[in-house]
Amino acid sequence: NAGVTQTPKFQVLKTGQSMTLQCAQDMNHEYMSWYRQDPGMGLRLIHYSVGAGITDQGEVPNGYNVSRSTTEDFPLRLLSAAPSQTSVYFCASSLKGYSPYEQYFGPGTRLTVT
Amino acid sequence: AQKVTQAQTEISVVEKEDVTLDCVYETRDTTYYLFWYKQPPSGELVFLIRRNSFDEQNEISGRYSWNFQKSTSSFNFTITASQVVDSAVYFCALSEATGTASKLTFGTGTRLQVTL
Repeated sequence: NAGVTQTPKFQVLKTGQSMTLQCAQDMNHEYMSWYRQDPGMGLRLIHYSVGAGITDQGEVPNGYNVSRSTTEDFPLRLLSAAPSQTSVYFCASSLKGYSPYEQYFGPGTRLTVT
Repeated sequence: AQKVTQAQTEISVVEKEDVTLDCVYETRDTTYYLFWYKQPPSGELVFLIRRNSFDEQNEISGRYSWNFQKSTSSFNFTITASQVVDSAVYFCALSEATGTASKLTFGTGTRLQVTL
């Protein structure tokens, strides 16, 4: 199993550009989420999904869009990149159940917006 | 609102020393889950432990142990006989028991540096 994969590993964008960060998992996990990691702030939840066709906002959703058309994929779209979106982005997945299971994280995407 | 506080920003120890990483949390839920993750210099996040709010037994896994004290809202992590490979950033995280979503609230992390 590849686990959780993310592409690209690194990306530089100019302010105002749009792009999609890709995330895929091959563990048949229903729950997937996106976090951003900034220095001194830990990880913060951007968006999450509890299954195909179902998404919801996390703590810091502004400027980001998600969709979940399949169980495997959960792309994160930056609509109009801003320097404040410079960060490391992690995708995660887990089983879905009556209690929160441990999340498996991808390797991260380091995004710089100039 | 949930909150996780890791007051120790950075800790430096010499190999073979014991070290404890503190984690204090706030939640209004009676049922919740606590986690620890390790982020080595390579950047990935590695799951270490999950603990629910009804299980206050301490847990030991090799050189790692966890002390959960509901009375003080703390879930501290101790590494015994630290090794250089333990050098990493360690995150404590909290999740409410929503039943369908595992939304983690992370602390800001503690950077552990183990030197020879």
